[in-house]
Amino acid sequence: AQKVTQAQTEISVVEKEDVTLDCVYETRDTTYYLFWYKQPPSGELVFLIRRNSFDEQNEISGRYSWNFQKSTSSFNFTITASQVVDSAVYFCALSELYNGANSKLTFGKGITLSVRP
Amino acid sequence: GAGVSQSPSNKVTEKGKDVELRCDPISGHTALYWYRQSLGQGLEFLIYFQGNSAPDKSGLPSDRFSAERTGGSVSTLTIQRTQQEDSAVYLCASSIAGMVYNEQFFGPGTRLTVL
Repeated sequence: AQKVTQAQTEISVVEKEDVTLDCVYETRDTTYYLFWYKQPPSGELVFLIRRNSFDEQNEISGRYSWNFQKSTSSFNFTITASQVVDSAVYFCALSELYNGANSKLTFGKGITLSVRP
Repeated sequence: GAGVSQSPSNKVTEKGKDVELRCDPISGHTALYWYRQSLGQGLEFLIYFQGNSAPDKSGLPSDRFSAERTGGSVSTLTIQRTQQEDSAVYLCASSIAGMVYNEQFFGPGTRLTVL
């Protein structure tokens, strides 16, 4: 069965520090997609990135970068030079092709990131 | 453009009462999902609608929960005989075509408190 584990529950850093949020997944499918979502204090989940199981290239978007490693079933997220506005709950999620018609997301428990000024 | 909207934003009810939660997906999105977010369980899938296909109800926790989607647009999640363990934030999401790679857009949620 599919599973997403975010072992870190809370992380607190000082502004300008780099921080890495870990995500480990389990799936029996060979075709799947991984996502990261951000949930700021306002509550609405915001999509950050999508990765498919065949593309292991790392991705960088501004201060954000993602490291996908199939060998360790991990899809980690790094924020460089963190800012107070990065404070939020971050969710890693998985969707699998084998679910057929159901493209539901399986979420990790989320990581609460607090960035202190 | 308009995002996913949900109403009410907050609902307080007494144990045993029925509640209805509404979701308006993004116009043109054929797929609609309901999730529940609670402290103990995190974010859990409840039900999925795709076009005119029969919904996937595999995530509904009990037969007290039901949902419908009228005209391929608005959806209503109904919880009958509410229990205290139903207290949670109920999130609705939509995606353009319901494919596994499609980004899901989430609404602000309805916070349900059962007294």
